Amino acid sequence: DIQMTQSPSSLSASVGDRVTITCQASQDISNYLNWYQQKPGKAPKLLIYDASNLETGVPSRFSGRGSGTDFTFTISSLQPEDFATYYCQQYDNLWAFGPGTKVDVK
Amino acid sequence: EVQLVESGGGLVQPGGSLRLSCAASGFTFSSYDMHWVRQATGKGLEWVSTIGTTGDTYYPVSVKGRFTISRENVKDSLYLQMNSLRVEDTAVYYCARAKYDTDALDIWGQGTMVTVSS
Repeated sequence: DIQMTQSPSSLSASVGDRVTITCQASQDISNYLNWYQQKPGKAPKLLIYDASNLETGVPSRFSGRGSGTDFTFTISSLQPEDFATYYCQQYDNLWAFGPGTKVDVK
Repeated sequence: EVQLVESGGGLVQPGGSLRLSCAASGFTFSSYDMHWVRQATGKGLEWVSTIGTTGDTYYPVSVKGRFTISRENVKDSLYLQMNSLRVEDTAVYYCARAKYDTDALDIWGQGTMVTVSS
């Protein structure tokens, strides 16, 4: 099974900050990596698919990059509505989510 | 409007069974792979099962042999039959659609709560 790790597990930030989250796969997954945002009590929302493609309707302050085993997700300028938990997910070999990164208010 | 609505959750005793349903609308259901994902309270997301457009199915080790995913395209419906339920299966269960030509989950239901407890 492919294991996914994310770091940090949580971070505190302020509106306007640049936020970067990393996701690492236990083996090469090419670009088969997606990013989701989840707010409390809500279903996850797709933000980035195939490592770097912005989902339709998602603001351009969100971006992703990487391939192989190492990936990054960036919010260029954190907005109030961006405080949430973010998950990466691989689909190279079955499917698996990372443990999540909670972004809260500094 | 593209929409997924889950139902069938509830309280069940350990060792019991439950069948979840997911009603799809607003898109050609038969053309999309579908997934179930669960989330225990305060925990992360866990992939539970997947069914392809041709009926191929996939499960993680944690539920293989106990859970069965199925679909009924004429009814635009997805199902998850859960048998031999364990306390650790307690979670909110979401159905989700895989985006066309990729396995990104672009449409999610609101979730249905399953509680396994004596």
